[in-house]
Amino acid sequence: AQSVTQLDSQVPVFEEAPVELRCNYSSSVSVYLFWYVQYPNQGLQLLLKYLSGSTLVESINGFEAEFNKSQTSFHLRKPSVHISDTAEYFCAVSEGRGSTLGRLYFGRGTQLTVWP
Amino acid sequence: GAGVSQSPSNKVTEKGKDVELRCDPISGHTALYWYRQSLGQGLEFLIYFQGNSAPDKSGLPSDRFSAERTGGSVSTLTIQRTQQEDSAVYLCASSLEASSGNTIYFGEGSWLTVV
Repeated sequence: AQSVTQLDSQVPVFEEAPVELRCNYSSSVSVYLFWYVQYPNQGLQLLLKYLSGSTLVESINGFEAEFNKSQTSFHLRKPSVHISDTAEYFCAVSEGRGSTLGRLYFGRGTQLTVWP
Repeated sequence: GAGVSQSPSNKVTEKGKDVELRCDPISGHTALYWYRQSLGQGLEFLIYFQGNSAPDKSGLPSDRFSAERTGGSVSTLTIQRTQQEDSAVYLCASSLEASSGNTIYFGEGSWLTVV
């Protein structure tokens, strides 16, 4: 089974500042990586995912994440945040094979708060 | 439907009562998941169904929890003899199939409060 660590539970930043939300997982053997976002009073939505190929993946709203196999990390970044990015962000991992195929393992989440 | 639908959206129940939470997955999705989201615990996997295969129940916290999926579509999560620690948001999700690369789509959850 995987474990996922999100090192920061709260990240406050000012509008237009860059941000990095950190995520590490326990094993680099055949994993797929995801970031989900939960806006206030809404359900979880997929932000971006890494399956294979280029280690840098991007979302449509300017976030990007880079898969680093040697450091077992999948940090989420945005060069300039907006107030509308205020939400909770969850990193998740699934294993590419075995009895837990398809199951997502989640980190505890990082609350990003963007101040004007 | 357009997305994963869950009902009720909010439920307040007395300790010791049984509750049923319903999930209607996206049409055509063969994999269905239940997760629990509670303060301080993050998102916990409970159970998942894939087609006609036996469900993976390894995340259910106790034998008071059970789930079934009828006809390969709608699922019901049942909690018997509810306890206060069962208070949480119960999230249902579905995907085309239980393949690790497929996107898992979540419903908005059923908020359960046990008093």
